[in-house]
Amino acid sequence: RKEVEQDPGPFNVPEGATVAFNCTYSNSASQSFFWYRQDCRKEPKLLMSVYSSGNEDGRFTAQLNRASQYISLLIRDSKLSDSATYLCAVNQGGKLIFGQGTELSVKP
Amino acid sequence: DTAVSQTPKYLVTQMGNDKSIKCEQNLGHDTMYWYKQDSKKFLKIMFSYNNKELIINETVPNRFSPKSPDKAHLNLHINSLELGDSAVYFCASSQFRVGYTFGSGTRLTVV
Repeated sequence: RKEVEQDPGPFNVPEGATVAFNCTYSNSASQSFFWYRQDCRKEPKLLMSVYSSGNEDGRFTAQLNRASQYISLLIRDSKLSDSATYLCAVNQGGKLIFGQGTELSVKP
Repeated sequence: DTAVSQTPKYLVTQMGNDKSIKCEQNLGHDTMYWYKQDSKKFLKIMFSYNNKELIINETVPNRFSPKSPDKAHLNLHINSLELGDSAVYFCASSQFRVGYTFGSGTRLTVV
């Protein structure tokens, strides 16, 4: 079983749609959690950290469920510019372990 | 100013050659990393250095040797390159092991 798992997609959605990504992790001792965005042929960039209480940044909402060991990312009112690969990442013992990424394509 | 810069951006080389990739960060971070992203886009940690000391060494062939002359630099030397080494190699840095910042990547193609 992979340490961090995501549905690879692709998710093809129309502009304005709401889309949700989930990610599960296997190590219950994981300490901190993140969502990264990676554009084609670019480096991953931190989108947001994920806190137990849930957190929101504009159209993006992240949630953490420690009991079930999953994290989620919700994107509301999706824009063409949201098209990218979204990677969840889990900090285990000082190293960041990434999921394989979920590809999102937002169409006009 | 680029926060984490790595060179070269592209590297095409023949099997059996030895090559190096350089990385520098100007963020004052204490920890630096090398990640490999393969053709399936899976991003996997290879090494981590904290203040010039190796702290993470994943299961990587010993043809790969990282070197950190100071806490702002982390280089990666690869001996006897193989076809399977073709990938994008990302350098990253962090402070207190959170909030990683990545370099723009080195696309290595072994022919």
